[in-house]
Amino acid sequence: QVQLQESGPGLVKPSQTLSLTCNVSGGSITSGSHYWSWIRQPAGKGLEWIGRIYASGNSDYNPSLKSRASVSLDRAKNQFSLMMSSVTAADTAVYYCARGHYDILIGPYYMDVWGKGATVTVSS
Amino acid sequence: IVLTQSPGTLSLSPGERATLSCRASQTVSGTNLAWYQQKPGQAPRLLLYTASNRAAGIPDRFSGSGSGTDFALTISRLEPEDFAVYYCHQYGSSPMTFGQGTRLEI
Repeated sequence: QVQLQESGPGLVKPSQTLSLTCNVSGGSITSGSHYWSWIRQPAGKGLEWIGRIYASGNSDYNPSLKSRASVSLDRAKNQFSLMMSSVTAADTAVYYCARGHYDILIGPYYMDVWGKGATVTVSS
Repeated sequence: IVLTQSPGTLSLSPGERATLSCRASQTVSGTNLAWYQQKPGQAPRLLLYTASNRAAGIPDRFSGSGSGTDFALTISRLEPEDFAVYYCHQYGSSPMTFGQGTRLEI
């Protein structure tokens, strides 16, 4: 049974870079049948998709983040990571990592396994 | 694709039927639409995918319908544990997007 767990600093200063890691257990991030996503949720608000990466290393992002986000794979550790530069208070949120399914004919599919979330506060 | 959910809040009693709506600003390709349930302090939980397919372990009182731009989630007989926030989510186009949520309250 696949499980995901986010980790990283809970407090980041404005203008600095947010860095989070998602540890994947019970499955491999090199599986061609999946992609790996980051989603965030400000307190009391809805969900916003940040970006994702495939086992191939290809990635895509939400243009609303204006190229500040980057997702990478660490195959040796079976982890994937999020880096978000030039953060402001508006980036304060719970950050979730999630597994999505990928079909070579259909393309990216639904996300079915989520981590519990990591709270990140941007403040000086 | 912008997803608009209605109503914003739905007040019902256990045993009643709930119908939640999700309207897309453009056609959701391949009915690539999912529904999630989220309770306070928890991650979203996948309920339905491809508009009407129940995820593993989801009770059959949850059902989904729709295609194109109009989708619905129906809970046939509300149980106390069903009171939560529900999000629709389209994964057919990038960027993936979520609706703003419907709060289902007792």
